[in-house]
Amino acid sequence: AQSVTQPDIHITVSEGASLELRCNYSYGATPYLFWYVQSPGQGLQLLLKYFSGDTLVQGIKGFEAEFKRSQSSFNLRKPSVHWSDAAEYFCAVGLIQGAQKLVFGQGTRLTINP
Amino acid sequence: DAGVIQSPRHEVTEMGQEVTLRCKPISGHNSLFWYRQTMMRGLELLIYFNNNVPIDDSGMPEDRFSAKMPNASFSTLKIQPSEPRDSAVYFCASSQTSPGELFFGEGSRLTVL
Repeated sequence: AQSVTQPDIHITVSEGASLELRCNYSYGATPYLFWYVQSPGQGLQLLLKYFSGDTLVQGIKGFEAEFKRSQSSFNLRKPSVHWSDAAEYFCAVGLIQGAQKLVFGQGTRLTINP
Repeated sequence: DAGVIQSPRHEVTEMGQEVTLRCKPISGHNSLFWYRQTMMRGLELLIYFNNNVPIDDSGMPEDRFSAKMPNASFSTLKIQPSEPRDSAVYFCASSQTSPGELFFGEGSRLTVL
């Protein structure tokens, strides 16, 4: 069965610093890949998605992610974080055939230091 | 436009009681999902519907859980009888045809004492 691993449970960065959140997946083929963000007390919001084509995808709020097939990774990046980026971030995988059924990673909680 | 609407936002009940969570998806969306979020297990897909028909309920933990979607604008998730281990945040999400682009509600936080 497919799985998603987010190795970092909690990351703290300073405001203005760059950010990279890691995501690795396990699946026999290239799945659909997603990053979602969850602010406290809120539901999840889609940041970006990868289906095929260019392996560097741009999302909302200045985020981007790069798909690396050789590493089975889909890491999320942002060049300069803002205090409002503090939230929990989830990587998710969808099977091609049933892509609406997503498997989520455990999440990475991001704290921003002023 | 209104997003996915869930009710109640918070529910505290005693073990053995019936709990009903409600969801109104975004108008025009043809898929609806129920997820459960806990610290221990993260986000788990319980069941999802396409065009009001249950497609995959393999994530429903046991027979105490049931979900219905009588029409395109309403779904319920029922737990009967409830147990303390059911305490979690339950999310409803809806989508159109774009794979994986789910729109989540704000969740229903359930506490079973």
